[in-house]
Amino acid sequence: AQRVTQPEKLLSVFKGAPVELKCNYSYSGSPELFWYVQYSRQRLQLLLRHISRESIKGFTADLNKGETSFHLKKPFAQEEDSAMYYCALKGGGSQGNLIFGKGTKLSVKP
Amino acid sequence: EAGVTQFPSHSVIEKGQTVTLRCDPISGHDNLYWYRRVMGKEIKFLLHFVKESKQDESGMPNNRFLAERTGGTYSTLKVQPAELEDSGVYFCASSQVRSLNTGELFFGEGSRLTVL
Repeated sequence: AQRVTQPEKLLSVFKGAPVELKCNYSYSGSPELFWYVQYSRQRLQLLLRHISRESIKGFTADLNKGETSFHLKKPFAQEEDSAMYYCALKGGGSQGNLIFGKGTKLSVKP
Repeated sequence: EAGVTQFPSHSVIEKGQTVTLRCDPISGHDNLYWYRRVMGKEIKFLLHFVKESKQDESGMPNNRFLAERTGGTYSTLKVQPAELEDSGVYFCASSQVRSLNTGELFFGEGSRLTVL
């Protein structure tokens, strides 16, 4: 079965501390993984995708096929990083048929 | 540029009634998607239009849900008759053909449906 698991509902850190948002997936094929973010009172938007190996707003995510993980990391959290973060997997359906995790709420305290 | 717009933002209806949600995608986006999030659960895919054609409707829960996209512009999602378990937030998203390869969907703010 295709599934995305985000084990933490809430993650609270202090400003300047490292952040790691966990994401594990279950997929039999070659996965395409994404992180979406929803800031307060804003729309859900794409943060980054594994295929581009990019760093966005200081966040990176590495696909680890052995551990079936795609954890999102940032070395020094900022207050403006506070948001809901969703890990998503492109499933076997049409393009745009994404399988989302339940999301992790990141709270960065001053 | 206007983003994806959805109407209404919130709808409260009684069980057995009908509700129609509307989505206007970003101009020029051929791909339009419906997703929903039931409280406490994941955001789940419902269906995908390419222009006016249904490309993938594997996520539609049952035949009480009807989605249309006449003319390939805006889309409507009708729930008839509504049941309590249909309560949740219904998201619409759109994308251009080229952005499909990047996985970038542009989401609307969602329509919250409450069925009493």
